[in-house]
Amino acid sequence: DTAVSQTPKYLVTQMGNDKSIKCEQNLGHDTMYWYKQDSKKFLKIMFSYNNKELIINETVPNRFSPKSPDKAHLNLHINSLELGDSAVYFCASSQNRAGTLAFFGQGTRLTVV
Amino acid sequence: LAKTTQPISMDSYEGQEVNITCSHNNIATNDYITWYQQFPSQGPRFIIQGYKTKVTNEVASLFIPADRKSSTLSLPRVSLSDTAVYYCLVGDKAAGNKLTFGGGTRVLVKP
Repeated sequence: DTAVSQTPKYLVTQMGNDKSIKCEQNLGHDTMYWYKQDSKKFLKIMFSYNNKELIINETVPNRFSPKSPDKAHLNLHINSLELGDSAVYFCASSQNRAGTLAFFGQGTRLTVV
Repeated sequence: LAKTTQPISMDSYEGQEVNITCSHNNIATNDYITWYQQFPSQGPRFIIQGYKTKVTNEVASLFIPADRKSSTLSLPRVSLSDTAVYYCLVGDKAAGNKLTFGGGTRVLVKP
């Protein structure tokens, strides 16, 4: 079983559309994250949830809205997609808030055309 | 969180030992040093973590001098499949609720 799974793996969409990326972890972890990796390969944290509670919200446009229905799931919804949103988005999880040891998903490559 | 500095890239050959040094001059007392590996088209994967002296596991060794202002990840006898980007991170293990990744070191292993 995959520890942290994201769907879809690839997502191509037009500007202005709304899309969602789903993430699930079966590790029993309390904390989940969304990271964005741009074309220069820098990984930047976007959000972190601990037991369904938002604990980190970096400087991210409010077009991005995370939703955590339970502590095993953290979905990312993006409204009004822009060209600059094209990137690889990674979901991750860790035991409680000790984010130094995190497990990452395979990533979702989002391409906005 | 302490900032880290590591070389942008390194080339090596199969069978050689690869050592990647990371500088973290502002490391705090409670900070741990963690290394991640990222293959193309995959998410980062935890390799090793340490606080001081030396830590070894089946994948790598981590050397940390007494002042803890730097650390060296050592990959013994690399193979082509070790070609990846390696990230050094420092953070409080107890309260660090986010991982801050730097640019990483791109290691290319040649035949």
